[in-house]
Amino acid sequence: GAGVSQSPSNKVTEKGKDVELRCDPISGHTALYWYRQRLGQGLEFLIYFQGNSAPDKSGLPSDRFSAERTGESVSTLTIQRTQQEDSAVYLCASSRQGNSNSPLHFGNGTRLTVT
Amino acid sequence: SQQGEEDPQALSIQEGENATMNCSYKTSINNLQWYRQNSGRGLVHLILIRSNEREKHSGRLRVTLDTSKKSSSLLITASRAADTASYFCADNSGGSNYKLTFGKGTLLTVNP
Repeated sequence: GAGVSQSPSNKVTEKGKDVELRCDPISGHTALYWYRQRLGQGLEFLIYFQGNSAPDKSGLPSDRFSAERTGESVSTLTIQRTQQEDSAVYLCASSRQGNSNSPLHFGNGTRLTVT
Repeated sequence: SQQGEEDPQALSIQEGENATMNCSYKTSINNLQWYRQNSGRGLVHLILIRSNEREKHSGRLRVTLDTSKKSSSLLITASRAADTASYFCADNSGGSNYKLTFGKGTLLTVNP
């Protein structure tokens, strides 16, 4: 079956521009997560959705970052006025139930480069 | 240091050898999970071990959990070149019901 799909796979943008990253989770998965992975580092939690609501946005680094989810499906992560420190791979994951016993299914990520 | 830290940071072995990676955590957990990441790809779930379990097997993988030492190990037996990847442990630090906290990973290189 289809896995988690992320687009674009690569994005190069100029400092100061806005970017939108898209995630299509596995159908029927109620939980959706965004993580950020800097080069050679582990994963940094950004935000968690259960259905269309985001009970935990605690990982968003600044108010330039926002995310939404519609139809209990697609999610977009928006970064406004991008900075060079935003360069990283942004990973989306979904899980069936969103509890800590449910394995996460990851997409292949969007590699964002801010020049 | 960081919750869910793996060691070593990098490990290079020959095909056929066993690879052992360790992970430590700081707060209470309900379970601990191991994931694998091939270069340029997302993470793939390997195995989950619950806090009341001490050992779990899946194919060539063996995971142990020592809650008294707040540590876990992942053993890959009879390694293959295709096992070359980064391996991460993840836990629900502080008993979170939904959030997994990942370590920095161990980069395993299996030389043919």
